[in-house]
Amino acid sequence: ILNVEQSPQSLHVQEGDSTNFTCSFPSSNFYALHWYRWETAKSPEALFVMTLNGDEKKKGRISATLNTKEGYSYLYIKGSQPEDSATYLCAFQGGGNEKLTFGTGTRLTIIP
Amino acid sequence: EAGVVQSPRYKIIEKKQPVAFWCNPISGHNTLYWYRQNLGQGPELLIRYENEEAVDDSQLPKDRFSAERLKGVDSTLKIQPAELGDSAVYLCASSPNTGELFFGEGSRLTVL
Repeated sequence: ILNVEQSPQSLHVQEGDSTNFTCSFPSSNFYALHWYRWETAKSPEALFVMTLNGDEKKKGRISATLNTKEGYSYLYIKGSQPEDSATYLCAFQGGGNEKLTFGTGTRLTIIP
Repeated sequence: EAGVVQSPRYKIIEKKQPVAFWCNPISGHNTLYWYRQNLGQGPELLIRYENEEAVDDSQLPKDRFSAERLKGVDSTLKIQPAELGDSAVYLCASSPNTGELFFGEGSRLTVL
């Protein structure tokens, strides 16, 4: 059983503040690390698919980094807005095109 | 382009009753997934299809769960009989084999 852990489990952040959270995953047999955002009553939406050690990806105010040697990825949100409130899921993909193993998610609530 | 469509969005049944969920993937996506997300957990893979072939059903509880993907397009997931522990969100996703998954909004099942 693969161990994909996310921390913290939940987070409350004041609007305008920046925040970050962590995904840890096995450092062996790495293929890709996925980040999804899941807003209540909507479908999970892909944010990033990261494959290269040291990679950093950015989409608007959200960015992510990847360290495959030590098995962690950080997701950063700059200047949080109410619409950022969601559950952020990471998923580890091993080998080649194997199934995704999801973490339990970080539930982010932005306080206006 | 239409996304992944799932129905029903919500279903409440009594234990021992049957239930079925339907998924229409994005056109042209050969890979289809059914995931189950229990409260406080990350999504867990139940079954993965490549066209009409189930290539990974190792996590599907075969005593009560069944799935089919006729003609390699739409898919149904059935539970018969349902148990209290089956209460969860059932997510369908499809992929064009790029590794990125496109999810539907999910079917939330409550078993009383």
